[in-house]
Amino acid sequence: EAAVTQSPRNKVAVTGGKVTLSCNQTNNHNNMYWYRQDTGHGLRLIHYSYGAGSTEKGDIPDGYKASRPSQENFSLILELATPSQTSVYFCASGAGAANTLYFGAGTRLSVL
Amino acid sequence: GDSVTQTEGPVTVSESESLIINCTYSATSIAYPNLFWYVRYPGEGLQLLLKVITAGQKGSSRGFEATYNKETTSFHLQKASVQESDSAVYYCALGDFDYNQGKLIFGQGTKLSIKP
Repeated sequence: EAAVTQSPRNKVAVTGGKVTLSCNQTNNHNNMYWYRQDTGHGLRLIHYSYGAGSTEKGDIPDGYKASRPSQENFSLILELATPSQTSVYFCASGAGAANTLYFGAGTRLSVL
Repeated sequence: GDSVTQTEGPVTVSESESLIINCTYSATSIAYPNLFWYVRYPGEGLQLLLKVITAGQKGSSRGFEATYNKETTSFHLQKASVQESDSAVYYCALGDFDYNQGKLIFGQGTKLSIKP
């Protein structure tokens, strides 16, 4: 069965610190995505990737970097975390076009 | 721009009653919109509930159904008789069939609670 695993599941960070959120997929999908969700908002796309070595900006990329070192792994990096980045982050993988996205369980990040 | 608006939650329905969660979309820059409903159960990631890629068609799964109405730009989710296990957050989403990106635009989610 398709599987997307995120780590950590919960994270408390300090303002100005560096945070790395990790995502691993065993679906062999080319595309991977990072979304964030805030109360009252839908999931918003931060970065995505078409395959190893590629990263693309989504709709809200400011303050975030992404890294796709392999087909299986896709990381989201907050170089200088701010309280406004407190949110729930979801990673997903997919085969593109109208294909289904498979999501991880989410990472709850609090920046104090 | 492109957007999705759905019923503001939380919504509480008694078991065995009917349910409708409204979803309307705007697809000004998407040539071939396709529509999805995802569901997130507590402690889990979002999972696909149903999808429809052709206007006028109906999708169905686990007793839920939704019809892609291009004239009213709507994709409402309905179920005739809900169960306690349907308690979850439901997300309507809009995608573009014409691109390989597979990106989706999500509504804000509707939290559904079922009263036993």
